[in-house]
Amino acid sequence: GIQVEQSPPDLILQEGANSTLRCNFSDSVNNLQWFHQNPWGQLINLFYIPSGTKQNGRLSATTVATERYSLLYISSSQTTDSGVYFCAVADYSGGSNYKLTFGKGTLLTVNP
Amino acid sequence: DGGITQSPKYLFRKEGQNVTLSCEQNLNHDAMYWYRQDPGQGLRLIYYSQIVNDFQKGDIAEGYSVSREKKESFPLTVTSAQKNPTAFYLCASSVQGSDTQYFGPGTRLTVL
Repeated sequence: GIQVEQSPPDLILQEGANSTLRCNFSDSVNNLQWFHQNPWGQLINLFYIPSGTKQNGRLSATTVATERYSLLYISSSQTTDSGVYFCAVADYSGGSNYKLTFGKGTLLTVNP
Repeated sequence: DGGITQSPKYLFRKEGQNVTLSCEQNLNHDAMYWYRQDPGQGLRLIYYSQIVNDFQKGDIAEGYSVSREKKESFPLTVTSAQKNPTAFYLCASSVQGSDTQYFGPGTRLTVL
């Protein structure tokens, strides 16, 4: 099956710093999502971005499907940005159109 | 309030017992999913269902069972055959034809 690798595994920032998280995937994908898991375990959708660039406030994402990677940018980080960021790709093989394969995540800690 | 609810939030089980985790959604989504998350890991798919009365195994279905008798409900039973059931369980749903999945708050299962 498709493999998803995220880097870095851990990241510590001071409040106000910028950061870039990366997601590499091993095969062609039709869809890609970024999630934020807060300290209580809730997963929150950030972006649905199979290709191109999107922005939402201080967050933006870019997916280059032909080169099999996606980037999540966080600008002017805040302590509330802390948590785990997951990349997940939709694998259309075998007719399971909606099966998401997750990376292991990037644990982000933003210190005041 | 539209959303996905999971209950209970915390669940303790003795070895050899079956337990059932509840997942309900009022988003009118056709597809529902169950994932398992272990510490420091990404999510792994247990079962998914695209329509009522139909479901498919995911990557780690052994020791689990599901039912989909109603559109809004997708309960997961963790059986005594599951060798290592202690984990965080997340339920998700999506609109048929869309890959954007929305997650519930999760159930943390601990086997004593």
